[in-house]
Amino acid sequence: EVQLLESGGDLVQPGGSLRLSCAASGFTFSTYGMTWVRQAPGKGLEWVSSISGSGDRTFYADSVKGRFTISRDNSKNTLYLEMNSLRADDTAIYYCAKIGVCYDSWGQGTLVTVSP
Amino acid sequence: EIVLTQSPGTLSLSPGERATLSCRASQSVNSNLAWYQQKPGQAPRFLIYGASSRATGIPDRFSGSGSGTDFTLTISRLEPEDFAVYYCQQYGSIPRTFGQGTKVEIK
Repeated sequence: EVQLLESGGDLVQPGGSLRLSCAASGFTFSTYGMTWVRQAPGKGLEWVSSISGSGDRTFYADSVKGRFTISRDNSKNTLYLEMNSLRADDTAIYYCAKIGVCYDSWGQGTLVTVSP
Repeated sequence: EIVLTQSPGTLSLSPGERATLSCRASQSVNSNLAWYQQKPGQAPRFLIYGASSRATGIPDRFSGSGSGTDFTLTISRLEPEDFAVYYCQQYGSIPRTFGQGTKVEIK
C-alpha cells in the first residue's frame, strides 16, 4: 500500500524559510515522479512543483519559481520542498503526491502558515 | 497557462440522482484530463484519467467523457459518500492546472 507522510509545516513569519518533507513507502520511490500541490484555506487546489524519478528534471509554478526548490533523496525515499522568502499567500496545506498516470496517491498534507 | 473552468459551482441533488459536472479548457488538452474528489478535511482522491478511464478501485457509477476542450464527469446514481468537491486537472502541459471545483451537496 502506498503511503505518503508529509511533515515540516509550521507557523513562519513573512520572509522566512521552511523545509517540507514527504516520506514515501509501499512503492519503488525512484521509479516515480513526485509533486507538491497546495490548498489555501477554503480555496481550490494549486499545483506547486514536480520532480522526475531520478531528480534530474524539476518544474515550478510561476508563483513559487525562484523561491521554492523541490528535491528528493531516493536513498531515503523522501521528497522535499525548500521554501524561502515566504509570503502570506503561501499559507496553505501542502500535499505531496505520487505521479503515476496522474496524481494517483496523496499524503494527508502539512499546514504552512505565514503570518507576523 | 491553460485555464480550466468548472460548472456549476454548486450542484444540489438528492441521493440516487444523477450528477453531471462540466470542465472546459481554454485550449485543447487532448485527453490529458483527470478528475479528483475531495471531502472536507481529507486529501484529494484520484478518480479518472485520460478523460474517461477510471482509476483503480473507483466504482463504475463514476464515468468521464470528452476530449479537446470540453469534459464531463457523471455520477450515475449519487451515494451518500459521493457528496464532496470535484476538481478537474489537465496534465498535458506545464503548468499543470486545476479547475476551481464543483461542490456536490445534498439537496
